[in-house]
Amino acid sequence: DVKVTQSSRYLVKRTGEKVFLECVQDMDHENMFWYRQDPGLGLRLIYFSYDVKMKEKGDIPEGYSVSREKKERFSLILESASTNQTSMYLCASSSHRGNQPQHFGDGTRLSIL
Amino acid sequence: QKEVEQNSGPLSVPEGAIASLNCTYSDRGSQSFFWYRQYSGKSPELIMSIYSNGDKEDGRFTAQLNKASQYVSLLIRDSQPSDSATYLCAVNVAGGFKTIFGAGTRLFVKA
Repeated sequence: DVKVTQSSRYLVKRTGEKVFLECVQDMDHENMFWYRQDPGLGLRLIYFSYDVKMKEKGDIPEGYSVSREKKERFSLILESASTNQTSMYLCASSSHRGNQPQHFGDGTRLSIL
Repeated sequence: QKEVEQNSGPLSVPEGAIASLNCTYSDRGSQSFFWYRQYSGKSPELIMSIYSNGDKEDGRFTAQLNKASQYVSLLIRDSQPSDSATYLCAVNVAGGFKTIFGAGTRLFVKA
């Protein structure tokens, strides 16, 4: 089974802090994704990566950056956290091989105070 | 802008009934379609994949695909209270790496 592990289930930070969310997958997947999910807004793609050191902006990249130094790890960085970044953050991975689904981690519920 | 549309619900069905969840998509070139189940406070869990027109059955779940009508559905037979969740329809973007997710349909199964 695919295992996508996010470093924290719950995280509380203060405005202005630099926040790191880590995600590791164990299935040698090429593609990795970061989403945020807010009530009534569904899943919104922040960034994705289709290879090591490659990254692409999603629909809402403002205020975020990412890092993919190793194939199995994809990090989301909030450069200067703000209260409107309080959300559930979900990491997912998928294979390049024909039309495969994404598999999600358990999510990180991040609160910015 | 590629889209996936779902009725947000809530859809309420009695225990033992068939729940029918529907989804339409805009990308005519899409070839792969998925249903995820998401319990409150949890992450989405893949429950069905479908790639060809017609029906695909897995236990109490049946996914149906009609590419000509750009329509995907999920039937849940003998619905149980434990099926109460939000169901997300997802479609892979043709020629790319991304998946477009619908906003989800909330299902309540009443005991």
